[in-house]
Amino acid sequence: DIQMTQFPSSLSASVGDRVTITCRASQGIRNDLGWYQQKPGKAPKRLIYAASTLQSGVPSRFSGSGSGTEFTLTISSLQPEDFATYYCLQHNSYPRTFGQGTKVEIK
Amino acid sequence: QVQLVQSGAEMKKPGASVKVSCKASGYTFSDYGFSWVRQAPGQGLEWLGWISTYNQNTHYAQKFQGRVTMTTDTSTSTVYMEVRSLTSDDTAIYYCARDFVGGWPFDHWGQGTLVTVSS
Repeated sequence: DIQMTQFPSSLSASVGDRVTITCRASQGIRNDLGWYQQKPGKAPKRLIYAASTLQSGVPSRFSGSGSGTEFTLTISSLQPEDFATYYCLQHNSYPRTFGQGTKVEIK
Repeated sequence: QVQLVQSGAEMKKPGASVKVSCKASGYTFSDYGFSWVRQAPGQGLEWLGWISTYNQNTHYAQKFQGRVTMTTDTSTSTVYMEVRSLTSDDTAIYYCARDFVGGWPFDHWGQGTLVTVSS
């Protein structure tokens, strides 16, 4: 099974800050990775697919990069509506595996 | 537009079974498979398994092998997931999501179904 190690598990940041979240795969997954935002009581929402392609309708302050085993999600200027939990998900093989999640909180 | 609508909340006793449905609309049902994902209270996302709507092939997480069954009904564009021998550890929100090979899956998700297991 491919393990996804996501860090940090939580962070505190202010509006306007640049935020970076990292996921590391235990083996190469090409670019078969997506990033998801989840707010309390809601289903996850896809932000990024193919590691770096912005989902239609998602603000351009979100970006993804990486390939193989190391991936990052960056929020260039944190907005109030971005406080949420973020997950990476690999779909290179079964079982699908998620990172542990990163909770972004208000400083 | 693509919509995945799940069945309502369930309350079950330990040892019972639960069957959750996910009805799809807005696209050709057999073009996309489905994964099921769950989230226990205050926890992260956990993948349970996948089913093809084309030929009903399945992949299950080893942890759930033998206790979870996924099925489809193409006549109603609905996928089902049954979990047997429930324990309190199965208390969670269960989500369906489109999952398909050769593309960029998990683009659309159901709204979630809360399953509570309590005596």
